[in-house]
Amino acid sequence: AQKITQTQPGMFVQEKEAVTLDCTYDTSDQSYGLFWYKQPSSGEMIFLIYQGSYDEQNATEGRYSLNFQKARKSANLVISASQLGDSAMYFCAMRPMNTGFQKLVFGTGTRLLVSP
Amino acid sequence: EAGVVQSPRYKIIEKKQPVAFWCNPISGHNTLYWYRQNLGQGPELLIRYENEEAVDDSQLPKDRFSAERLKGVDSTLKIQPAELGDSAVYLCASSRSLMMSAETQYFGPGTRLLVL
Repeated sequence: AQKITQTQPGMFVQEKEAVTLDCTYDTSDQSYGLFWYKQPSSGEMIFLIYQGSYDEQNATEGRYSLNFQKARKSANLVISASQLGDSAMYFCAMRPMNTGFQKLVFGTGTRLLVSP
Repeated sequence: EAGVVQSPRYKIIEKKQPVAFWCNPISGHNTLYWYRQNLGQGPELLIRYENEEAVDDSQLPKDRFSAERLKGVDSTLKIQPAELGDSAVYLCASSRSLMMSAETQYFGPGTRLLVL
């Protein structure tokens, strides 16, 4: 079974600063994908970034980067130059990439608050 | 490209009443998912459709929950009768195909259900 752990219930950061949101995972699968989603107060889950377990480079998407440390089973999200609009819940999720369907498993989320 | 559309956005009902949620996925997405998100938790999968076929409904409480995806496009999730514990956000998501390794799921804004 897969498990995602997000130990930070809340994080505060000042505008324009960088922030790291922690995510650790537990799986016995060799091939898997890691995802980060943002959920603003409007409720929609917005896809941010994806990292495959065999990807050699850490994923980056604009101001988002994923600090992937496979041996430690961690997939931390780094947001550079925080903006007020980044205030939201952030969820880490993973899915095995074996044949057949494997469901996406989410962590409990981290609430990020960006202050002026 | 339009995103995943859900309605209603909010619903308040008394226990034992029926309720239905509607979802229109992104055009061209064959796979459709229904998730339930309890307060302070990440989303949990209820059911997955490949076109009009429900291929994974193991997490759906079948005594009171039902879903359909006629013609393989729009989907409806129904609860009858609703219980207090059904209060949650019901999220719909869609993705292109399981053949794509990342299989990014795109979510709608959700329906916030409150059962009194």
